[in-house]
Amino acid sequence: SYVLTQPPSVSVAPGQTATFTCGGDNIAGKTVHWYQQKPGQAPLLVVYDDSVRPSGIPDRFSGSNSGNTATLTVSGVDDGDEADYYCQVWEINDRVFGGGTRLTVL
Amino acid sequence: VLLVQSGAEVKKPGTSVRVSCRTSGFTFNSYALHWVRQARGQGLEWVGWINAGTGHTKYSQKFLGRVTITRAASATTVFLDLADLRPEDTGVYFCAREGPVETSSSSFDFWGHGTLVTVSS
Repeated sequence: SYVLTQPPSVSVAPGQTATFTCGGDNIAGKTVHWYQQKPGQAPLLVVYDDSVRPSGIPDRFSGSNSGNTATLTVSGVDDGDEADYYCQVWEINDRVFGGGTRLTVL
Repeated sequence: VLLVQSGAEVKKPGTSVRVSCRTSGFTFNSYALHWVRQARGQGLEWVGWINAGTGHTKYSQKFLGRVTITRAASATTVFLDLADLRPEDTGVYFCAREGPVETSSSSFDFWGHGTLVTVSS
């Protein structure tokens, strides 16, 4: 089965840029979606189709996908961005999530 | 768009649980509804999905034989049945909308609030 690999944690200072990676075999050939999940809440879609922001998601959130790595970038990080971030792809008829990365704002 | 899930459940090992997800605000038959599990302190785990229009289902290999997803189209509601419960099935179960079904590689754009299922003797 297809495996998505995410680092367990990322820490950045307020105002800096947080970068989340999602590794997978030739992931550039797949469409990647990203979700933000805060404690006690349901996940929230923040980027879909590799780089598209849903309505209401600020343009501080951006995504890209190339080679074996998809990337979510959050610029100008603030306390409200502290959360877990998950990548997700289709694998034939299944769906696969990465293990998630926890963002800590220092 | 709203996905409203049923309340928390406490079950004993070996029994079954049914979780419901009542939807509104969109054309039910045009979308896929998925179930995703999250154990305490763990990540998201895909369980399976149903084509709300046709009733076709697909399940994760991990849950094959124990999981059944159905829908009641008249009530725009989907159900997750999980049998032979084990303590490791304890977690929050989310329903999520994906689609429209004719669009490949769609994302989960709306989620239910989650239902805590606790399996304990």
